[in-house]
Amino acid sequence: NAGVTQTPKFRVLKTGQSMTLLCAQDMNHEYMYWYRQDPGMGLRLIHYSVGEGTTAKGEVPDGYNVSRLKKQNFLLGLESAAPSQTSVYFCASRGDMSTDTQYFGPGTRLTVL
Amino acid sequence: KQEVTQIPAALSVPEGENLVLNCSFTDSAIYNLQWFRQDPGKGLTSLLLIQSSQREQTSGRLNASLDKSSGRSTLYIAASQPGDSATYLCAVRGPGANNLFFGTGTRLTVIP
Repeated sequence: NAGVTQTPKFRVLKTGQSMTLLCAQDMNHEYMYWYRQDPGMGLRLIHYSVGEGTTAKGEVPDGYNVSRLKKQNFLLGLESAAPSQTSVYFCASRGDMSTDTQYFGPGTRLTVL
Repeated sequence: KQEVTQIPAALSVPEGENLVLNCSFTDSAIYNLQWFRQDPGKGLTSLLLIQSSQREQTSGRLNASLDKSSGRSTLYIAASQPGDSATYLCAVRGPGANNLFFGTGTRLTVIP
């Protein structure tokens, strides 16, 4: 049982490049989340999903897109990366409405030059 | 919008000391509050979750309290150990909300 995994762990992009971050969970969780963590700021929600095939915007969705084609995977895409998107990205999952414990992945450190 | 504040931003204590970490939030209409631990370069690990109807939760040497009316929570760590060194984050969830609002964390260093 690997829990929540994220790929890749590190990435450096040039401004304007695109990339996709992959989050996978093996706990059969319904809810999945993408957060970004920046120095001096708390984690902020980018997008989330309440089940396979659903997505919704969080607090800071601009410049990102997501997809949840399979229940175990949640993809975060950057179509045209900007330096302001330099951050550490965390994926998390949660079982259902009866439990609020979120399980986090190890994070992806992204630098946009 | 819910604002979550954690003071102090950093704390250094000698091994064996009992310590208290503070968390405050602006909107008392919360569904629950969680305390997380984050080690450098790692993800977050949930430590304790307190429902809005509860006053405290305990796990081993950790005790978290919640005073919803005053918008405050504390995390008490007894007999601190060097292995407790990490950043501690609190997060609140509002009723009907799907996401958590996080504080910026308190970086704890326990000196052997």
